[in-house]
Amino acid sequence: AQSVAQPEDQVNVAEGNPLTVKCTYSVSGNPYLFWYVQYPNRGLQFLLKYITGDNLVKGSYGFEAEFNKSQTSFHLKKPSALVSDSALYFCAVRAMDSNYQLIWGAGTKLIIKP
Amino acid sequence: GAVVSQHPSRVICKSGTSVKIECRSLDFQATTMFWYRQFPKQSLMLMATSNEGSKATYEQGVEKDKFLINHASLTLSTLTVTSAHPEDSSFYICSAIKRGVQETQYFGPGTRLLVL
Repeated sequence: AQSVAQPEDQVNVAEGNPLTVKCTYSVSGNPYLFWYVQYPNRGLQFLLKYITGDNLVKGSYGFEAEFNKSQTSFHLKKPSALVSDSALYFCAVRAMDSNYQLIWGAGTKLIIKP
Repeated sequence: GAVVSQHPSRVICKSGTSVKIECRSLDFQATTMFWYRQFPKQSLMLMATSNEGSKATYEQGVEKDKFLINHASLTLSTLTVTSAHPEDSSFYICSAIKRGVQETQYFGPGTRLLVL
């Protein structure tokens, strides 16, 4: 069965420190991998995606993610967190043979404390 | 960037009434749109795939007669919650696929439905 796991319900980081939000996946074939952010009462915003190529993907707002095929992981990272990064983050994967359907993780609430 | 809108953003209705939610792609044509449902503190649950000019494809466990989807044009899909009940209260999100050299899925801001 295809699935996405975000093992942490919540991540707390002090402002200025590096942050990591974890994501692992299990899908058939080579997946397309995505990270989205959701601010309170707002829609999902695309952060970045991995399709092929360099395992380190850079995205919006200074975020990046590293694709690790052997560990089936796609962790989201940022070198220096901002209070404004506080939001709900979702990891998603799309299998190559799907009709653009995404398999979503449960989401991780990121709290950046000043 | 591409924009997807939803209307209304919030709706409160009485049990037994029907509610229509619109999803529009504002600056691109979308042959495929998706409808999701999000429960508090949970991830998105795909309800159905809306295809312009044809019947929607519903996910397992989603009642097609309860959640009517119409994708009558390349920029508009509607979700009608028929005979709404309190358990239908949720956050409904649509998305639209912008096709091209790089195909991207854009999400609407969501509609908060509260059924009393």
